Amino acid sequence: DAGVIQSPRHEVTEMGQEVTLRCKPISGHDYLFWYRQTMMRGLELLIYFNNNVPIDDSGMPEDRFSAKMPNASFSTLKIQPSEPRDSAVYFCASSRDRRTYEQYFGPGTRLTVT
Amino acid sequence: AQSVTQLGSHVSVSEGALVLLRCNYSSSVPPYLFWYVQYPNQGLQLLLKYTTGATLVKGINGFEAEFKKSETSFHLTKPSAHMSDAAEYFCAVRTYTGGFKTIFGAGTRLFVKA
Repeated sequence: DAGVIQSPRHEVTEMGQEVTLRCKPISGHDYLFWYRQTMMRGLELLIYFNNNVPIDDSGMPEDRFSAKMPNASFSTLKIQPSEPRDSAVYFCASSRDRRTYEQYFGPGTRLTVT
Repeated sequence: AQSVTQLGSHVSVSEGALVLLRCNYSSSVPPYLFWYVQYPNQGLQLLLKYTTGATLVKGINGFEAEFKKSETSFHLTKPSAHMSDAAEYFCAVRTYTGGFKTIFGAGTRLFVKA
């Protein structure tokens, strides 16, 4: 299996622009998680899906952030408009195990908003 | 509230020395505990996990951890550090807040000196 795939790996954009991050989970995994990692706040869970349905979005910072999972093999995290404080590494992870929630992480997208 | 505390944001050891990374948790449900490792510019990778049964858990790359309920601890050890162990290590707990989630600690960066 190719593992969790994220694109792009790096994104540099100007403040006010829309940013879309993409994720393909491991086939057969029905849980998908979006995290944000920064030096100041560490690893934060933004939202997670089960069977393509958002279960908990309490970590989404504000209305500028939105996430979708139109099918079992694709999810997006969108920021509009982007701000410099959104600069971070965004990770997608997936899980099959309903009992332990052992997660498999993608390589991350490093977002820089200037 | 459920939480994970990693003692020491940075740990430095000499090559060949014992590695000890400390983790304490709190959980309102029977804890499932994890250690993940993150190498530079990569996503997190599972090192080991405790669910039930034997409290001493062995993982990849010679690491092991012991679940001590009385101390609410899950410290990570390796008898002999190798240069390739230099990375950031995250302790995590599966917890329940109206739905199961994984809470990650702030991370401990391990430096290995030659």
